[in-house]
Amino acid sequence: QVQLVESGGGVVQPGGSLRLSCSASGFIFSGYAMHWVRQAPGKGLEWVSLISYDGTRQYYADSVKGRFTISRDNSKNTMYLEMNNLRTEDAAVHYCARGRLGGTGLYYFEYWGQGALVTVSS
Amino acid sequence: QSALTQPRSVSGSPGQSVTISCTGTSSDVGGYHYVSWYQQHPGKAPKFIIYDVSKRPSGVPDRFSGSKTGNTASLTISGLQAEDESDYYCCSYAGENSWVFGGGTKLTVL
Repeated sequence: QVQLVESGGGVVQPGGSLRLSCSASGFIFSGYAMHWVRQAPGKGLEWVSLISYDGTRQYYADSVKGRFTISRDNSKNTMYLEMNNLRTEDAAVHYCARGRLGGTGLYYFEYWGQGALVTVSS
Repeated sequence: QSALTQPRSVSGSPGQSVTISCTGTSSDVGGYHYVSWYQQHPGKAPKFIIYDVSKRPSGVPDRFSGSKTGNTASLTISGLQAEDESDYYCCSYAGENSWVFGGGTKLTVL
């Protein structure tokens, strides 16, 4: 069955950096676009970033553009989110999510991990 | 990109139907067929329940249905059951490889 497991969350000071990982299993990782979606405590969902199935294209929400970098290693079935210059408003549970199969698959978040909590506090 | 507008809360009794609205603009909900809905129980990851405005992924009961008119999408849950009590989020593609979610709706089963 499809499994997505995030890791790398933790507490960081404002201006600091953190790298999240998303380890995938149960499907052909290299065949799917992948997303990061986050949820601040008690708040709604916010799309963060998308990476194409082959890692050649990356897209970001305006709120993280220039500070976050999404990447993937298909040989390791793993996606990453490098977060730099973190702000208090970046504090959230960060979920990785898999798109659906097919040409329009990247428009949806079919499977989700359990999330990694990022806390930004001095 | 502003969040899509959803009611903060809705409620219904077991067996009844409820509808959750999701209002956007012509740049997101009204401009694309890529509207989806997610169910999220407290402390859990979201679950994918509707895509392409009205299609249900395998395993999602047909009590869940979606529709769209203009800039407003809707999720209807018929035959309410206790386990439907949850938070629900709509999401739309917003062009230029970006996505926007609604603020979420808390469904209470009375």
